[in-house]
Amino acid sequence: QSALTQPASVSGSPGQSITISCTGTSNDVGAYDFVSWYQHHPGKAPKLIIYDVSDRPSGVSIRFSGSKSGNTASLTISGLQSEDEADYYCSSYASGNTLYVFGTGTKVTVL
Amino acid sequence: QVQLQESGPGLVKPSQTLSLTCTVSGGSITSGGYHWGWIRQLPGKGLEWIGYIYSSGNTYYNPSLKSRLTISLDTSKDQFVLRLSSVTAADTALYYCARRPLGMHYFFDYWGQGILVTVSS
Repeated sequence: QSALTQPASVSGSPGQSITISCTGTSNDVGAYDFVSWYQHHPGKAPKLIIYDVSDRPSGVSIRFSGSKSGNTASLTISGLQSEDEADYYCSSYASGNTLYVFGTGTKVTVL
Repeated sequence: QVQLQESGPGLVKPSQTLSLTCTVSGGSITSGGYHWGWIRQLPGKGLEWIGYIYSSGNTYYNPSLKSRLTISLDTSKDQFVLRLSSVTAADTALYYCARRPLGMHYFFDYWGQGILVTVSS
């Protein structure tokens, strides 16, 4: 199972909106509404911010939103803040025995 | 609030067995409702699901690692253990333990901070 493709880096100014793409195949992202997104500040535990494509866990800011079209899922961060500077990973349930496939990761920089 | 913490040696020799423990606090691994698992990040690469275990002892492993992998529970200590045998330099990675809710849920809602394991002589 190949990793999901994400841009290596995305940047934006405070207050702006950015979108991170996550491209898979018809065996993972395109086949199931089980895409999740994780925020990772290095040295800390990764944090779940989106599950089932667009649902937010309790306590996660409404500035984070998710969507999907075909084989590509997207994470949008609105009203970018300095604390959003982190690495972001997508993940999807996948057909076959591997069950999970993760993205290559995107480093978000707040300018 | 559930917390997970990995522990174990940071350096393992090639051909030996890598053994890591995840200690769960703020909840019991025997209470049901969750799988307890491991995920790793290989250097310069993305994340890779390793496998997980339910409180019943049922396990689910990544097929690419299955022949070398054992995940077990120590319910008396609210811990679960990863053992990966015959390691090589390709197993050098940042290892995370994480929790997955049961049912039609394919995500991990709590993670540990991770532990770096280097395979080298």
